[in-house]
Amino acid sequence: DAEITQSPRHKITETGRQVTLACHQTWNHNNMFWYRQDLGHGLRLIHYSYGVQDTNKGEVSDGYSVSRSNTEDLPLTLESAASSQTSVYFCASSSGRRTVNTEAFFGQGTRLTVV
Amino acid sequence: DAKTTQPNSMESNEEEPVHLPCNHSTISGTDYIHWYRQLPSQGPEYVIHGLTSNVNNRMASLAIAEDRKSSTLILHRATLRDAAVYYCILRRGGGTSYGKLTFGQGTILTVHP
Repeated sequence: DAEITQSPRHKITETGRQVTLACHQTWNHNNMFWYRQDLGHGLRLIHYSYGVQDTNKGEVSDGYSVSRSNTEDLPLTLESAASSQTSVYFCASSSGRRTVNTEAFFGQGTRLTVV
Repeated sequence: DAKTTQPNSMESNEEEPVHLPCNHSTISGTDYIHWYRQLPSQGPEYVIHGLTSNVNNRMASLAIAEDRKSSTLILHRATLRDAAVYYCILRRGGGTSYGKLTFGQGTILTVHP
């Protein structure tokens, strides 16, 4: 069955370190999204991509970057981890070019702690 | 992005119907109404979506007001597994930032045995 997987599921890192969170989907979806979820803020969009070589900033993109070199993967990199980036991160994907008449599929999340 | 307004919380008894309301008075003609839910310690899960007409699927029904300024998610028989945060989201169908899901605070649904 097609799926979307995130790795690692849990990570503890130190302030200032570079961290990369992986997201891999086997749906062959064009659209991929990264969200973070914090108590009191709900899910907020970090970055998103509509296809290979396309990336766009979301509402909370500072300190994060993404790259899309193939359809299946959208890794999220924290350039220099900060304690404010301690959060649960969710990756999502959806099909269709320029259509919103489809559902999005979410991964199980990565809990990141920056100490 | 157009905003949605939902009650912070609702309660239901098991096997009773649940009607979760959502107001979206600034909806545009190209916005689809999507509902997602998030069970504890899991990622959001798609429930249903629609544009103008009422929709039914195996999980729920979506009733959309004629003016599209509000909608209601209907769970026909709530189970304990339906206890979750339910998000009503407008998904933009046009412009340069199409397709994004913008989450609000959602409605926390508690289901009592």
